[in-house]
Formats: sequence, C-alpha cells, structure tokens
Amino acid sequence: GAGVSQSPRYKVAKRGQDVALRCDPISGHVSLFWYQQALGQGPEFLTYFQNEAQLDKSGLPSDRFFAERPEGSVSTLKIQRTQQEDSAVYLCASSPKRLAGPSMADTQYFGPGTRLTVL
Amino acid sequence: GESVGLHLPTLSVQEGDNSIINCAYSNSASDYFIWYKQESGKGPQFIIDIRSNMDKRQGQRVTVLLNKTVKHLSLQIAATQPGDSAVYFCAGLSRGSTLGRLYFGRGTQLTVWP
Repeated sequence: GAGVSQSPRYKVAKRGQDVALRCDPISGHVSLFWYQQALGQGPEFLTYFQNEAQLDKSGLPSDRFFAERPEGSVSTLKIQRTQQEDSAVYLCASSPKRLAGPSMADTQYFGPGTRLTVL
Repeated sequence: GESVGLHLPTLSVQEGDNSIINCAYSNSASDYFIWYKQESGKGPQFIIDIRSNMDKRQGQRVTVLLNKTVKHLSLQIAATQPGDSAVYFCAGLSRGSTLGRLYFGRGTQLTVWP
C-alpha cells in the first residue's frame, strides 16, 4: 500500500525565500509528526498533530517555522525567510493511533523526506 | 534533557557475520525504545522496539537487548547481509514526554562487505 509521501523531494531556495513542504500521510493515520534531520545527525522533533490539532510545536526552532494540517490529512511545513542553517532534510511521519497521553507510543512510519538547501 | 547516543559512528562487518550496534541513553525515565534503519535518500524504517519492562526482544534476524542498570541498549543483526548496509538509529521515548516525541541518537553507519 501507499506509504507516507513528501514533496518536493528536493528544494533549493535562496536565503530569504519562503518555502512550503508537503506531507501526505498514510490514509487514516491520526498522528502526524515533522522532524528535521541535519547532515550526519539523527532526526529532531519539530511538531506533532493529532488529526487537525497541533498538540505540540515545541520543537519548531523559530517563529519562521509554521505547520498546519487543516483537514486532518495532508500537512504543510512552511519556513519563512529561509536561512542557511535551515538546510536539512525535513521528515514527516505518521502513525495510526491517537496518542491519548504521555508515554504512549505507536510505530511511526516515515516518508522519504524533503532535502532543503538554502543558498 | 533527553539524550540517546550511539557508541560508534561507523561499523564494518563481513557478510554473514553478526553485527552489534550499541546505544546509551541518559534519562532513566525512558520507557520505550525503537531502532530505525535509514538507507541513503530514504526515511527511517522501523526495525524493532522494546519497552522498559522487557530485557530482550527478538524479530526476524534482529534482537534488541535493554540493560536498564547501565542505561544501554543494543541491536544485534544475525548473518548480516549487504542489504543491511545503512545508518541505524536508536530512539527513545520518555515517561511523561510529550505525546509520541521521540529522541534520536546520531546513528551508526553499518557497512557490510561481501
């Protein structure tokens, strides 16, 4: 079946440009996560959605980062006025369950990521 | 804060040998761990998970061991194959952490030689 898809796969932006990265989760998955993965590092959490509600955005590095999931399916991560330090792979993951409380975990299925390069 | 880390950034093994990838964590409240495999140009792929009330869990050709006393876990891959070449991440979830927020280590690059 179809997994998590992300588009574009590669994005080159000039410093100061705005970018929008799209995530199509697995159909029916309630939970959606965004991660940032710098070169040679593990993914770092950015934000979490449960359906259309953004329940945790504590990992967003600055107010230039904004994420939405208006209909509880497709999600968009927007970065305004991109900086060189924003260059990274942005990963989206989804999981089927609703996480009802701390320490609940469910297998997260990752997309291939969008590689953002800011010049 | 939360921290999980791999002991070695790279590991090279001969095809057919067993591989052991180690990971340490800092938070004794961590109660769920996952191993992911990431091939070049792809997103992380779930391998196996383990909860803190377990010491060992086995999957197909993989075993995860958890030692809570020394805050250490390992991933063992039996009869390593060239297709196992990838970066392996351990990730942890702490008791009380925000809904499903995983903390990833830096990863170990496993290279399998034919």
